Amino acid sequence: TQLLEQSPQFLSIQEGENLTVYCNSSSVFSSLQWYRQEPGEGPVLLVTVVTGGEVKKLKRLTFQFGDARKDSSLHITAAQPGDTGLYLCAGAVNYGQNFVFGPGTRLSVLP
Amino acid sequence: DAGVIQSPRHEVTEMGQEVTLRCKPISGHDYLFWYRQTMMRGLELLIYFNNNVPIDDSGMPEDRFSAKMPNASFSTLKIQPSEPRDSAVYFCASSLGQVAGQPQHFGDGTRLSIL
Repeated sequence: TQLLEQSPQFLSIQEGENLTVYCNSSSVFSSLQWYRQEPGEGPVLLVTVVTGGEVKKLKRLTFQFGDARKDSSLHITAAQPGDTGLYLCAGAVNYGQNFVFGPGTRLSVLP
Repeated sequence: DAGVIQSPRHEVTEMGQEVTLRCKPISGHDYLFWYRQTMMRGLELLIYFNNNVPIDDSGMPEDRFSAKMPNASFSTLKIQPSEPRDSAVYFCASSLGQVAGQPQHFGDGTRLSIL
């Protein structure tokens, strides 16, 4: 059983469309991170959220941490082919504990 | 700045052979992590070190796997004997501290195929 679940598992959209991917758990996290992994490379950190209800923006990406700190979402506006990749969320239950990774959402943005 | 460096990038070997994967973390980072990634199981933490000392190896699948960190700039993950089910991409990552917000910096991985 995965500590973190991500949905959808796969997503294929056209350039210019908006999308949202989700990261959910039954556990409360002290902090949660989002990473993007491109083919043939390791994951790269996009953002860390630590406060319930927190919203962070990174250009066309908007990250939200749920009020109860059990879930998070990533919204991409006007997706571009360069957004293609595997989006991973990772949560730490206790401060200073290791982050556990979710299974990821594989996004494909078609030109 | 040099990131996390892993070698080799690809390894193909026959089952039963010994496999050694290598990692050079980012200079100054005090945590080093070894992960395995497969389509079926995603990204799994195998073991991590703090200041060269193994802290948690509960993710190591079995006794065939071992990891060492003889100094702050080098770590190895060894599989002996290797089996086809060990085929995966193995990542090394390093971080400065283990607190919220500290990113793990990943290498580009070693793609291991056991025939």
